[in-house]
Parts: sequence; structure tokens; C-alpha cells
Amino acid sequence: DAGVIQSPRHEVTEMGQEVTLRCKPISGHNSLFWYRQTMMRGLELLIYFNNNVPIDDSGMPEDRFSAKMPNASFSTLKIQPSEPRDSAVYFCASSLEYYEQYFGPGTRLTVT
Amino acid sequence: GNSVTQMEGPVTLSEEAFLTINCTYTATGYPSLFWYVQYPGEGLQLLLKATKADDKGSNKGFEATYRKETTSFHLEKGSVQVSDSAVYFCALILYGNKLVFGAGTILRVKS
Repeated sequence: DAGVIQSPRHEVTEMGQEVTLRCKPISGHNSLFWYRQTMMRGLELLIYFNNNVPIDDSGMPEDRFSAKMPNASFSTLKIQPSEPRDSAVYFCASSLEYYEQYFGPGTRLTVT
Repeated sequence: GNSVTQMEGPVTLSEEAFLTINCTYTATGYPSLFWYVQYPGEGLQLLLKATKADDKGSNKGFEATYRKETTSFHLEKGSVQVSDSAVYFCALILYGNKLVFGAGTILRVKS
């Protein structure tokens, strides 16, 4: 099994630009999670989907952030416009409902 | 609300030393408890879990026992190796799929 796949692994962009992060969950998993990790705030759950439907987006910081899951094998997290305070490592994870979450390797985002 | 509190790090040990990383939780019900490990440059991996009181989770020489009376899930290992250097996260799930993580504890093992 390939595990959770995230792209890109590193992204450097300028303030104001649109950023799109991508995730391919493990085949057969029905839940998908987006997390953000920073030194200051630790690991934060941004949003999670169950069967492609957003269940809890209370962690999404503001309207600049949006996430979609058009099908069971793909999800995106978009930031528009990006700001320097969005710099972080963004993780995607997937699971079978109520079982362990498998994390991807993360995307390190730097906004200058 | 539901929360997890871990001991602050970094924890620095010599190889073959005994490891304890403390974790306590607050929850309105009976959660399942987890330890995740994050190696440098990688995502989190599940290390071990326990789903009910008095359960002991174990993996790779690490152990943790679900103590309802003290609301704790301390991580232990009898003899650490340099390769155990990582960040360790205690977490709980109470309802649905939503993991609640502690702040993480950095472990550094010196040879």
C-alpha cells in the first residue's frame, strides 16, 4: 500500500498568492483529515470528511481557507490569499471510521 | 471540554535509560487513548493504543496502561535507543473520529 500521498512536499509562495495542497488517501478509507502543525500552536485539526462529506470544519481558521473532497481518492486544501502566518506543515490523514488515522508525510508551506 | 496534557520536553536521555512520558486527559466520557510518534521530517505514526480502562497498549518495546482512576496514559520504555529520538503525542478519541492531541514531547537520546 502506498500510504497517504501528499503533494507538493514543499511550497514556497509570496503573500497574496493562492496555494493548493493535495492529498490522496489510502484506498478504502472513508475518513479524511487535514491538520496544521506549527511550533506555536502544535497540531490543529482543520477539517475532516466522512464519505466525502465535510463533517467538522470548526478548525478552519478563516474564510481564506477552503477544502474539498470531490471523490473518495482526492482532496484539496486551498488558501487564498495566503499570508505569512499560514506558514506551517500541513498534514493529511485518512482512516476507516473509528480506527487509527494514517498520516501523510506533510507539505511544508512557506509564505514570504 | 476534552483535552490532553503531556509533560513538557525536551526529554534528554542516554542510550539504554528508562523512559517515562506522562500524559493525563480530561474527558466527559470514556475515550480511547493513543500514543503517536513523529520522526524528523515525517508524518505521525500510531505507536500504541488502548480502548478501555486497564488495557495495556504495547509496541516496539513501548507500553502504556489506561488508568481511569488517575485519568492517565503514561508512555514507558525500559531501554531507549538513539533511534527512538522523535516527538511523542498523546491523544484521545471520545466521539466519532476526531482525535484530540496533546502538545507533544520531544525525546532526545544520546549515544
